[in-house]
Amino acid sequence: DAGITQSPRYKITETGRQVTLMCHQTWSHSYMFWYRQDLGHGLRLIYYSAAADITDKGEVPDGYVVSRSKTENFPLTLESATRSQTSVYFCASSEVGTRRETQYFGPGTRLLVL
Amino acid sequence: AQSVTQLGSHVSVSEGALVLLRCNYSSSVPPYLFWYVQYPNQGLQLLLKYTTGATLVKGINGFEAEFKKSETSFHLTKPSAHMSDAAEYFCAVSEGNDMRFGAGTRLTVKP
Repeated sequence: DAGITQSPRYKITETGRQVTLMCHQTWSHSYMFWYRQDLGHGLRLIYYSAAADITDKGEVPDGYVVSRSKTENFPLTLESATRSQTSVYFCASSEVGTRRETQYFGPGTRLLVL
Repeated sequence: AQSVTQLGSHVSVSEGALVLLRCNYSSSVPPYLFWYVQYPNQGLQLLLKYTTGATLVKGINGFEAEFKKSETSFHLTKPSAHMSDAAEYFCAVSEGNDMRFGAGTRLTVKP
């Protein structure tokens, strides 16, 4: 029962480089989410996806790109990393997108942009 | 749009003491409310949630929360703290496909 996994767990990169964070879930959940966690801000939604090939912006989408060609994968790409994107990134999934639905979180990716 | 305010970024209690973590929300529709816990270097786990029905919600590990509409609050309590409760706790409100999280409260439990 793998659940939801993220890779890499830790990443150091330089300003201007492209970085892709991977997220994989084994439950066949329809909805997937990307959050960033910063001190004092809690978690903020970057993008979410309701199904394969359906994505939408969250609260803080600028500088990020997502895709979802398969239900189980939801990669997040930083096209040109900036220092302000240093953060901990969490992927989550839920079975459906109703308001009452619990989200299940991955272990997170800690990204440092130098 | 919905929002969440958690009062107190850090709370420290002694082992065996009452735990009270405060959460106030704003929402334009009847809210669905959640408490999540995050242990060091891990993702968030659901503690409990309020959707409809009984306003006192019981969760895992002896935690409970009460939805008070008149006070727009959803405070988290536990009668007796254990060392293993040390973690960060997040309150969240759900509206549409968007879940908004509070900034978190770090709970420290002293022996």
